[in-house]
Amino acid sequence: AQSVTQLGSHVSVSEGALVLLRCNYSSSVPPYLFWYVQYPNQGLQLLLKYTSAATLVKGINGFEAEFKKSETSFHLTKPSAHMSDAAEYFCAVSDSYNQAGTALIFGKGTTLSVSS
Amino acid sequence: GAVVSQHPSRVICKSGTSVKIECRSLDFQATTMFWYRQFPKQSLMLMATSNEGSKATYEQGVEKDKFLINHASLTLSTLTVTSAHPEDSSFYICSAKKGASPGYTFGSGTRLTVV
Repeated sequence: AQSVTQLGSHVSVSEGALVLLRCNYSSSVPPYLFWYVQYPNQGLQLLLKYTSAATLVKGINGFEAEFKKSETSFHLTKPSAHMSDAAEYFCAVSDSYNQAGTALIFGKGTTLSVSS
Repeated sequence: GAVVSQHPSRVICKSGTSVKIECRSLDFQATTMFWYRQFPKQSLMLMATSNEGSKATYEQGVEKDKFLINHASLTLSTLTVTSAHPEDSSFYICSAKKGASPGYTFGSGTRLTVV
């Protein structure tokens, strides 16, 4: 069974500081990995995804993540935090064997707070 | 890009009544639809997976008679919460997938409050 573990339920940074949100995955097959952001009472917005192409994935809003198979990690980073980055972030995994019925499995989420 | 429209965004209903939530894929055919439930400050928990024209597959612990899922067409899936109770109050989100592609498109969610 696949799973993701997000280390740190809450991360606080200052505006302009580096953002690092950690995600480790467990999968018996090569995974697809995703990062989503959720603002209060809203749906999910895809930040980026890894689908076995380049291991360094660039997403929207200046975010990027690096797939490290040896560490089973897919940490999300942003060089300089902005106040508008404050939100809930979810890491998710799915089976990469293109099975049409495979759902995304989500981590527990990390709340990012940005202070001025 | 792929868009999934989910309605209503918010609904308040009385205990014992039923509520239907709709998810429509506007510009693609959703061969598979997933329904998630999210409690406050928690993650998304998969409730069920439905393929067009087939019965939904429910996750362990999800009452199929209480959460009725219909996926009658490639662009519409519905979740009906039957005989709702206050403990059913939650945020429900749908996600649509086109065939074997790795992309998942999420609806904007429905905040259900049962009073």
